Amino acid sequence: GAGVSQTPSNKVTEKGKYVELRCDPISGHTALYWYRQSLGQGPEFLIYFQGTGAADDSGLPNDRFFAVRPEGSVSTLKIQRTERGDSAVYLCASSNDQGSPDTQYFGPGTRLTVL
Amino acid sequence: AQTVTQSQPEMSVQEAETVTLSCTYDTSESDYYLFWYKQPPSRQMILVIRQEAYKQQNATENRFSVNFQKAAKSFSLKISDSQLGDAAMYFCASLGAYGGATNKLIFGTGTLLAVQP
Repeated sequence: GAGVSQTPSNKVTEKGKYVELRCDPISGHTALYWYRQSLGQGPEFLIYFQGTGAADDSGLPNDRFFAVRPEGSVSTLKIQRTERGDSAVYLCASSNDQGSPDTQYFGPGTRLTVL
Repeated sequence: AQTVTQSQPEMSVQEAETVTLSCTYDTSESDYYLFWYKQPPSRQMILVIRQEAYKQQNATENRFSVNFQKAAKSFSLKISDSQLGDAAMYFCASLGAYGGATNKLIFGTGTLLAVQP
């Protein structure tokens, strides 16, 4: 079956602009995660959805970052007033958590470059 | 709080040889999972192997195996018969089994593995 997909693959924007990054999880996976990976680092957690609700958004760096998952499937990560420090690869993952945590399967990521 | 440490920024191995990547972790969770992910230049994180902490037996997946030392909080990855396609960044990660509202992975900083022909 299809894996996790993310669009766009690459996004270049100017400082101060608004961007949206999309994640399409594996069909049937109830849990969805966003991570951010800066150059030379491991991914860092941003937000976790269980169904439509954000179960944990403690990793969002500030109020310029927001994510939604209105129908419990596709999720959109939204960044307002982008800054150069937001440049990174944004990874999405999904899993089928039923009781105990299941393995997270990752998408190919979106590379965001803020000029 | 959980932390994961990978002390080897880079490693190199000859094709067909064996290499071991190190990982140590710290967690307050009573039960947890440990993972090794591979990230090639394509950026896609690929699961290599998974270990449940309550299982004493070390996980194996074909040429990949782990040495899980729970008391020492060590979780190393052994790659046998290394192949050119194994060249990638390898990340060790932990996840609390009963972490409350979140199931976030905590990643190390990665080890870049080069495979020499």
